[in-house]
Amino acid sequence: QSVLTQPPSVSGAPGQRVTISCTGSSSNIGAGYDVHWYQQLPGTAPKLLIYGDNNRPSGVPDRFSGSKSGTSASLAITGLQAEDEADYYCQSYDTSLSGSEVFGTGTKVTVL
Amino acid sequence: EVQLLESGGGLVQPGGSLRLSCPASGFTFSGNAMSWVRQAPGKGLEWVSGISGRGGSAYYADSVKGRFTISRDNSKNTLYLLMNSLRAEDTALYYCAKKGDFYDSSGTTYDAFDIWGQGTMVTVSS
Repeated sequence: QSVLTQPPSVSGAPGQRVTISCTGSSSNIGAGYDVHWYQQLPGTAPKLLIYGDNNRPSGVPDRFSGSKSGTSASLAITGLQAEDEADYYCQSYDTSLSGSEVFGTGTKVTVL
Repeated sequence: EVQLLESGGGLVQPGGSLRLSCPASGFTFSGNAMSWVRQAPGKGLEWVSGISGRGGSAYYADSVKGRFTISRDNSKNTLYLLMNSLRAEDTALYYCAKKGDFYDSSGTTYDAFDIWGQGTMVTVSS
């Protein structure tokens, strides 16, 4: 069971804005550790989408943005497109686990 | 081209062993920490183990500690995962992932998993 909790699913129509929350605690996000986000298209390996809370690697559209506050982080997708239908995972570090990177529980984004 | 190519997965009985390999190309292998991340069928991502660039430090998830051993051979640009005492719950697609260094405009550094392999499937069943 992950220490980072995400909603199982979110959905939106093309062009809409959706947000995915990633709720942690004082031993991970709340301790100031960076949050990264990954997109996993069906049948493929995860792809880095956001690093360091709110930075996009080269090639990632600016429709994707991240934020962090307190013990939670969020990923926003604006101008939702059909190709954004995928699973999304947050990732951070947790001091309550031995040397441990942690992933969120994952969120399935459906484009209606 | 930066590439990771896992191999070594397969069907193994409970209590058995497997060794996964992940040869890397296209980057300075010894300069990057590496990890294994797994994904059980229909489930989410689970970090399994990580190792520093020179191999001096290794880390494990509690679920595999004492059973799995991560290692690397920087002369062969290859990451390994030796899995012993395998259990049904270890059944998953195992990815190797590279930790990349990123910088923002202020010069702050971050590390995130920037390159992933395609995964190798491990099935533990009698």
